[in-house]
Amino acid sequence: GEDVEQSLFLSVREGDSSVINCTYTDSSSTYLYWYKQEPGAGLQLLTYIFSNMDMKQDQRLTVLLNKKDKHLSLRIADTQTGDSAIYFCAEGLRSGSARQLTFGSGTQLTVLP
Amino acid sequence: NAGVTQTPKFRVLKTGQSMTLLCAQDMNHEYMYWYRQDPGMGLRLIHYSVGEGTTAKGEVPDGYNVSRLKKQNFLLGLESAAPSQTSVYFCASTDPGGSYNEQFFGPGTRLTVL
Repeated sequence: GEDVEQSLFLSVREGDSSVINCTYTDSSSTYLYWYKQEPGAGLQLLTYIFSNMDMKQDQRLTVLLNKKDKHLSLRIADTQTGDSAIYFCAEGLRSGSARQLTFGSGTQLTVLP
Repeated sequence: NAGVTQTPKFRVLKTGQSMTLLCAQDMNHEYMYWYRQDPGMGLRLIHYSVGEGTTAKGEVPDGYNVSRLKKQNFLLGLESAAPSQTSVYFCASTDPGGSYNEQFFGPGTRLTVL
């Protein structure tokens, strides 16, 4: 079965870079996603990468995909206190006609002043 | 454009009671999903629907039922609540014709079963 794994916690100093890592198991994933959840709120899509790409950059965010090792990472440059949240990695799979997502357990990012 | 809304926001039930959680979306999305979120476990799919009048089981469907009588609404029912169903429930929707199938999430319902 599919399994997405992430470390549970990460702390960084304001202004430093944060790197959140994720491993997935299903090589047939079409898209891989990073979602952000702020306290008391639902999940919001932060960025995504298509499975035939190695890297995607979007302002302070850089996503790296290593398909051979099934490893995905999210780098946040110049991390701010407003970046404190839970970050979920997810892989997009097809199941019949559905567009199901399998989520990791989430990484709690704490940004220290 | 409200996106995905969920009612209620909070609920406390006693074991054995029943309730229905309502999800509504105004984006004309075909697909809708119900997840539960538990500490350290991410989101797990309960049930989903690929169109009005259709539903299917996800990863953890036991103890829940769903209905999709109207395209914009997806209801999650608990017939006889158990303490193991204490969780935060999220609804999501997506347009399957979209280029990268972003799922849009509601704000969640926090349910406690005593």
